[in-house]
Amino acid sequence: NAGVTQTPKFRVLKTGQSMTLLCAQDMNHEYMYWYRQDPGMGLRLIHYSVGEGTTAKGEVPDGYNVSRLKKQNFLLGLESAAPSQTSVYFCASSYAPGWAYEQYFGPGTRLTVT
Amino acid sequence: TQLLEQSPQFLSIQEGENLTVYCNSSSVFSSLQWYRQEPGEGPVLLVTVVTGGEVKKLKRLTFQFGDARKDSSLHITAAQPGDTGLYLCAGAGVTGRRALTFGSGTRLQVQP
Repeated sequence: NAGVTQTPKFRVLKTGQSMTLLCAQDMNHEYMYWYRQDPGMGLRLIHYSVGEGTTAKGEVPDGYNVSRLKKQNFLLGLESAAPSQTSVYFCASSYAPGWAYEQYFGPGTRLTVT
Repeated sequence: TQLLEQSPQFLSIQEGENLTVYCNSSSVFSSLQWYRQEPGEGPVLLVTVVTGGEVKKLKRLTFQFGDARKDSSLHITAAQPGDTGLYLCAGAGVTGRRALTFGSGTRLQVQP
């Protein structure tokens, strides 16, 4: 039981390049989330999903897209990376809405955009 | 503008000291969670408080949810170096939001 895993762990991109971050969970959770964490800002929600085939915008969705084709996977895409997207990205999942149940977090992806 | 304000932002204390971390908001939450995050890892849930005035204890950690469900505190007794980390509060149930709202965090360093 691996919990929540994220790929890759580190990445450096040049401005304008694209990439996809992969999140996988093996707990059969319905809800999945993508956050970014910046110094002094805590965790800010980018997008989330309430089930396979669904996605919704969070607090800071601009510049990102997501897909949830399979229940266990949640992909975060950057189509044209910008230096402002330099951050640590965390994926999380929960059995039910985050306010009722624990959110389980992955180890994070550190992204640098130059 | 942060919905949840945590204070202090940074705290460096000696082993054995007591400390309190605060999480405040002008919004009412249906529940509030506290997470601890260690360097290079994702946050891990410590506790969830649901009822106004609720107090929960986890060994040397005491969590309290304000009567009006707008604020919370975390008190650590006799801090140890293993308590070092980033403490995050997260509120749930804000109107129009289907996910948790996180505070900016309190970074705690406990010196041996």
